[in-house]
Amino acid sequence: NAGVMQNPRHLVRRRGQEARLRCSPMKGHSHVYWYRQLPEEGLKFMVYLQKENIIDESGMPKERFSAEFPKEGPSILRIQQVVRGDSAAYFCASSSGWGRGNTEAFFGQGTRLTVV
Amino acid sequence: TQLLEQSPQFLSIQEGENLTVYCNSSSVFSSLQWYRQEPGEGPVLLVTVVTGGEVKKLKRLTFQFGDARKDSSLHITAAQPGDTGLYLCAGTRRGGQNFVFGPGTRLSVLP
Repeated sequence: NAGVMQNPRHLVRRRGQEARLRCSPMKGHSHVYWYRQLPEEGLKFMVYLQKENIIDESGMPKERFSAEFPKEGPSILRIQQVVRGDSAAYFCASSSGWGRGNTEAFFGQGTRLTVV
Repeated sequence: TQLLEQSPQFLSIQEGENLTVYCNSSSVFSSLQWYRQEPGEGPVLLVTVVTGGEVKKLKRLTFQFGDARKDSSLHITAAQPGDTGLYLCAGTRRGGQNFVFGPGTRLSVLP
């Protein structure tokens, strides 16, 4: 999973500020997934993107959260007006796509967001 | 309701013991993946199983995909403290374009 780069690793924000989490997928991967993980819990799907397109955002809160994956540059998960409940680890994964009926997702190290 | 269920949720065993953890669903998956996650780190892919009935071995770890491609198991022989972690199964449903994760099995191997 070393190929998927997330930054920052740790992010502290005050309530009401904005948090921007970045994810650079593995080389050759054009599919990006964002997951959220609370302490001692599993991974909760948030959003699935391909270059310049949001494919599935069914796990994303309707307000304050947005994601993009531009043609150039990393994928960005943006959280506006953060609240304490947004404190969590946010993981990004990337894959090469679905052409052969099976594929694999590789994860980054995550960004740990703490809202104070 | 979880699309993928994992059991047990928690497992604490002594070094040297064998164990099996399970991943079950009522849906058919085109493939299933197993990941291990250590505290403070991202999940690391262990294996992908694709064919119903497939068995894959990775040193002391044996992975099996059910014949109907609805379930999978992970068996660890002679567990070691280094096996401690959260074991996650994930899958892609037939015709799907997303990864579904189970809630994980948290394994603790005591020396």
